[in-house]
Amino acid sequence: SAVISQKPSRDICQRGTSLTIQCQVDSQVTMMFWYRQQPGQSLTLIATANQGSEATYESGFVIDKFPISRPNLTFSTLTVSNMSPEDSSIYLCSVGGGSNQPQHFGDGTRLSIL
Amino acid sequence: GQNIDQPTEMTATEGAIVQINCTYQTSGFNGLFWYQQHAGEAPTFLSYNVLDGLEEKGRFSSFLSRSKGYSYLLLKELQMKDSASYLCAALDSNYQLIWGAGTKLIIKP
Repeated sequence: SAVISQKPSRDICQRGTSLTIQCQVDSQVTMMFWYRQQPGQSLTLIATANQGSEATYESGFVIDKFPISRPNLTFSTLTVSNMSPEDSSIYLCSVGGGSNQPQHFGDGTRLSIL
Repeated sequence: GQNIDQPTEMTATEGAIVQINCTYQTSGFNGLFWYQQHAGEAPTFLSYNVLDGLEEKGRFSSFLSRSKGYSYLLLKELQMKDSASYLCAALDSNYQLIWGAGTKLIIKP
């Protein structure tokens, strides 16, 4: 399976600031996904990022708050904008999926907002 | 609506067998995945079922019944390192994963 590097692994940020999370894959992939996982809970899909098109956001998530870039087939970024304590969570990128292929996850970014 | 149900928490003894159940209701169905997630780590893929029956992979097996909307993950010869959350996720007709809330498995010596 693909090797997925996610940076930063953790950060502590001030309220009102923004943070950009990077996801780098060692092979070309069509679909990349961004998830949020709040403490003790399961995964919530934020958006699907396909190269060459706008990201597709799930209900409850908007581009102004979570802008995503997908400049090529091996890289994507997720920005968490104007952060508040409610944004404290683990953010995960994943690749793969589709017909019968599993998604594989990066190690996640543990974000705390003060 | 789409829904995945699995128990919140289970406890088992080292060396024993445990079965973690998952029921699903989705718009269409293209298979079911099980993932393991240790505390503070990312989920890792365990198994995929799309046809009815049992898939065995070492100490872990996964079962699917499409007619019942039911799956289980069977863990044998439990080890302390199996303490983790186990996530069930169903693939709907749009090939979107619908995730369960996860089952936290506690292994006691």
